[in-house]
Amino acid sequence: AQSVTQLGSHVSVSEGALVLLRCNYSSSVPPYLFWYVQYPNQGLQLLLKYTSAATLVKGINGFEAEFKKSETSFHLTKPSAHMSDAAEYFCAESTGNTGKLIFGQGTTLQVKP
Amino acid sequence: SQTIHQWPATLVQPVGSPLSLECTVEGTSNPNLYWYRQAAGRGLQLLFYSVGIGQISSEVPQNLSASRPQDRQFILSSKKLLLSDSGFYLCAWTGASTEAFFGQGTRLTVV
Repeated sequence: AQSVTQLGSHVSVSEGALVLLRCNYSSSVPPYLFWYVQYPNQGLQLLLKYTSAATLVKGINGFEAEFKKSETSFHLTKPSAHMSDAAEYFCAESTGNTGKLIFGQGTTLQVKP
Repeated sequence: SQTIHQWPATLVQPVGSPLSLECTVEGTSNPNLYWYRQAAGRGLQLLFYSVGIGQISSEVPQNLSASRPQDRQFILSSKKLLLSDSGFYLCAWTGASTEAFFGQGTRLTVV
């Protein structure tokens, strides 16, 4: 069965530091991969998506992610954290044409001043 | 532009009472529609999805049901709520592009 693993349920960084949120997928066929952000009591907002074009994907708010097939990874990075980046981040994959998403457990990002 | 509306935003219901959550999408036709649940401290679990009117697929056995009476309307229901039904419910849609667009969610507390 498909699964998505996010390493680290909580990540804490200082403002201005590098953000690295890890995600590994399990699909053996080329997946569509996504990173979503969720602020408290709100829905999910798409940060970026990989759909088999460029392996380095740039998203909103300065985030980017690199698809590495050899490592089955799709880690999310941002060079310099901002206080407003504090939120919960979800990695997800989709295969097939139904659009169903398999989510990781989420990573809560804390940004310290 | 497309928008998705989900209501109510919060709901407190007693055990054994019925439930009806509604989701509507505007600005697109024939979307795929989804209900996800997010339990406290956990990821999102797909409950139901629909690729067309009257077509509902259930992903997990549970106390809930879904219906799609119109092309852009998706309803999540229960006849008798359980404590374990508490959680944050999210409606989403997909169209021609690959990403899902989410509603603002409903916080359901069963007491």
